[in-house]
Amino acid sequence: DIVMTQSPDSLAVSLGERATINCKSSQSVLYTSDNRNYLAWYQQRPGQPPKLLIYWASTRESGVPDRFSGSGSGTDFTLTISSLQAEDVAVYYCQQYYSTPPALTFGGGTKVEIK
Amino acid sequence: EVQLVESGGALVKPGGSLRLSCAASGFTFSGVWMNWVRQAPGKGLEWVGRIKSKIDGGTTDYAAPVEGRFTISRDDSENTLYMQMNSLKTEDTAVYYCTTDYHGMLNNWGQGTLVTVSS
Repeated sequence: DIVMTQSPDSLAVSLGERATINCKSSQSVLYTSDNRNYLAWYQQRPGQPPKLLIYWASTRESGVPDRFSGSGSGTDFTLTISSLQAEDVAVYYCQQYYSTPPALTFGGGTKVEIK
Repeated sequence: EVQLVESGGALVKPGGSLRLSCAASGFTFSGVWMNWVRQAPGKGLEWVGRIKSKIDGGTTDYAAPVEGRFTISRDDSENTLYMQMNSLKTEDTAVYYCTTDYHGMLNNWGQGTLVTVSS
């Protein structure tokens, strides 16, 4: 299975400041036939189910604020929140959907808090 | 509006069985691949398994920890997803979410149902 590793485990950012979360896959999730990275990001607010934020590594889901952006290719990816808002306090997960079956795999999560 | 409502979670003893349901509405259920994802208390997300739409073969795939013990099925006439869970272990304790699946992206999630395996 492809192993997804996120860093840091947690970070505290001041309101209005930038938050950056990293995700590394154990093998490339770039599918050369369509030149797409099979990588998604999810947000899970406290007490809520996860919500899809970004797919194909950089495409925002409908309704997601443009302060959220995804970047990267191959094995290294980044989720950036350009100006942290109070409602962004959550755990963020990356997920690969390149190698399936046998599994979709998630990173361990990054908890974002207000400093 | 897409709605996914899980039910069937309960307290069950190790070795026991449970069947989870996920009632879907707001979309054409029969055409959509569906997944189960779980989250142990205070832990991260773990994919459990998936069932394709019947038009795509209706086949299932499972994560290694549940292969042979869990069975995912669907009733397209009732717009409902199921998961039969047998030989439950304490490590199966988690909130179980059903999700829609678009090319492997999990684009809609239910609120989850809690399964507790304890003696």
